[in-house]
Amino acid sequence: KAGVTQTPRYLIKTRGQQVTLSCSPISGHRSVSWYQQTPGQGLQFLFEYFSETQRNKGNFPGRFSGRQFSNSRSEMNVSTLELGDSALYLCASRRIDRGLTDTQYFGPGTRLTVL
Amino acid sequence: LAKTTQPISMDSYEGQEVNITCSHNNIATNDYITWYQQFPSQGPRFIIQGYKTKVTNEVASLFIPADRKSSTLSLPRVSLSDTAVYYCLVIRDSNYQLIWGAGTKLIIKP
Repeated sequence: KAGVTQTPRYLIKTRGQQVTLSCSPISGHRSVSWYQQTPGQGLQFLFEYFSETQRNKGNFPGRFSGRQFSNSRSEMNVSTLELGDSALYLCASRRIDRGLTDTQYFGPGTRLTVL
Repeated sequence: LAKTTQPISMDSYEGQEVNITCSHNNIATNDYITWYQQFPSQGPRFIIQGYKTKVTNEVASLFIPADRKSSTLSLPRVSLSDTAVYYCLVIRDSNYQLIWGAGTKLIIKP
């Protein structure tokens, strides 16, 4: 069974640009969550999507947005990039049939560098 | 406000048992506790999950006292490859909230 895949794996952008990251969950998983991880920092929760609806959101500015498609694939968009947005962006999927106790499976992440 | 607290770092030696404790004083009745392991530039990997008492799998044990205000991840006979960051996560089913600890950087020495 294929794991969570994220594309691209590495990305370099300049300040002011926007970026879209993609996540394909494990087959059969209906929930996708996004996290930001900066050097020396833990996991900062961005948002979670389930059945194409955002059902939980972390404390990030509106420049960070996401969406989920009917096939459960998800995209995350960051507009007007700032230097501080440089981070590893992680996507995690889970099946959702035992509520939140379902195990989250993480992808390898997208390393975003903003110059 | 729900919060999970764990030590920032720990050192140990190969062959030793390592215990990492996470404090979650505001844990609610239906919350679950999960631990993840993360290597540099990789996504976190699930280790173990529990609700109360003790859970054991092939890689770790999880001890949760009766009041559930803390939990201890136990790694038996660690090796150099166990050097990683370990995250404690409280899963709050009532409002879909995931309460992550800041992570414990475990360094195993030869």
